[in-house]
Formats: sequence, structure tokens, C-alpha cells
Amino acid sequence: ILNVEQSPQSLHVQEGDSTNFTCSFPSSNFYALHWYRWETAKSPEALFVMTLNGDEKKKGRISATLNTKEGYSYLYIKGSQPEDSATYLCALGDDKVIFGPGTSLSVIP
Amino acid sequence: EAQVTQNPRYLITVTGKKLTVTCSQNMNHEYMSWYRQDPGLGLRQIYYSMNVEVTDKGDVPEGYKVSRKEKRNFPLILESPSPNQTSLYFCASTSQGLTHGYTFGSGTRLTVV
Repeated sequence: ILNVEQSPQSLHVQEGDSTNFTCSFPSSNFYALHWYRWETAKSPEALFVMTLNGDEKKKGRISATLNTKEGYSYLYIKGSQPEDSATYLCALGDDKVIFGPGTSLSVIP
Repeated sequence: EAQVTQNPRYLITVTGKKLTVTCSQNMNHEYMSWYRQDPGLGLRQIYYSMNVEVTDKGDVPEGYKVSRKEKRNFPLILESPSPNQTSLYFCASTSQGLTHGYTFGSGTRLTVV
């Protein structure tokens, strides 16, 4: 079974702080990496899909980078806001899509 | 509106009573999948389908069946539910090649007593 890891497991930051999380995966047989944002009592929503080594994606204050050779992706949030509080999931795969356990972010006003 | 529709949202049933959770998408997506979410275990893939009449097992397929007779529908069938299938279930779809993110349904919270 493909193993996708995320760190840290949880994070508490003050409003206005910038933060980042890591998704780690086996570097062999890479196809695509997804990032999702999952708010409590809602469904996960796609943030980014990255397929190429060196890919960088940005949506507002959130950005992500991908290193397929060393098997990791970073998600960055600049100037965290309380509405950024959620669990952030990464997922990897081609036919089978395997999710990591997620990083739970709490932004304290 | 582009969406994945799951029904029911909540279901309480008894051990052994067959049930079906429906999933339908209106985006003409080729790929559909079912996941279960359990505390501490994250989202685990049950079954997926890459197109009509093409289904395959995910990581936790035991106790479940699926079918893909039409592109838009991908029902999850529990022939004989057991209490260890109590969970939150999500259906998701995306376009072929998985180069776009999933669109998830709203989830079905199933309790088997």
C-alpha cells in the first residue's frame, strides 16, 4: 500500500502568522499530487493538483510546491486568518488515490 | 450546478440488512470513487471506477460492492452490514487522468447497530 505522510499532525497559529505543512510520499512511480482543504462538517475541497517536478501553484494566500525526486510537497499559507482553520489533506496516486492523514490547522484570532 | 449527490445523508440500520448508498454526478466525469472516513484513520478508498463497467478494489473493499452501469451513477452496496462498517462515507468524482481534483459528495453517516 502506498504510504502518504503529512506533518505536523496539528498546528495552532496566531492570526497573521504564516505557516507551512509537508506531504511526503515515495518518489518512485509518481503521477499526480492533490491538496485539499476540509472544514469541519463539510466535504473536502480541492485546492491544487500538481503533476510535474518543480510545480508551484498559488491561490490567494495559499501556495504549494512539489519535489517529485525527493518525494515531498509543501503547502504554505501566508498571513493565516481564522477562516483558514481546517484540515489540509494531500493525496497521491494514479488509479488508486491514497490520502494522507491530514494536518489540522487552527488559527487563533 | 456541478455536483456529486449522495443519498441518504444519515442512515441507521441493523446488522445484516442490505442497504445501498447512491451517488450521482452531473459533470460527465469518468472516474468515481468511494471512501470511508474513520477517526484516526483518515480517508480510505473502498472502490473506484475508471469508467462505465470498470471497477476495482481500493484499500478496504471487504464487505462492499459497487456497480457502474451508467457514467453518472456509482452506488455503494452493503449486502450484510456489520457494526464495523459504521462510518462516514464519501463519494467523489473527477475527470479521466486524475489531473483535476476530486469533487466530493456531502457524505453519508452510516450507523450499523
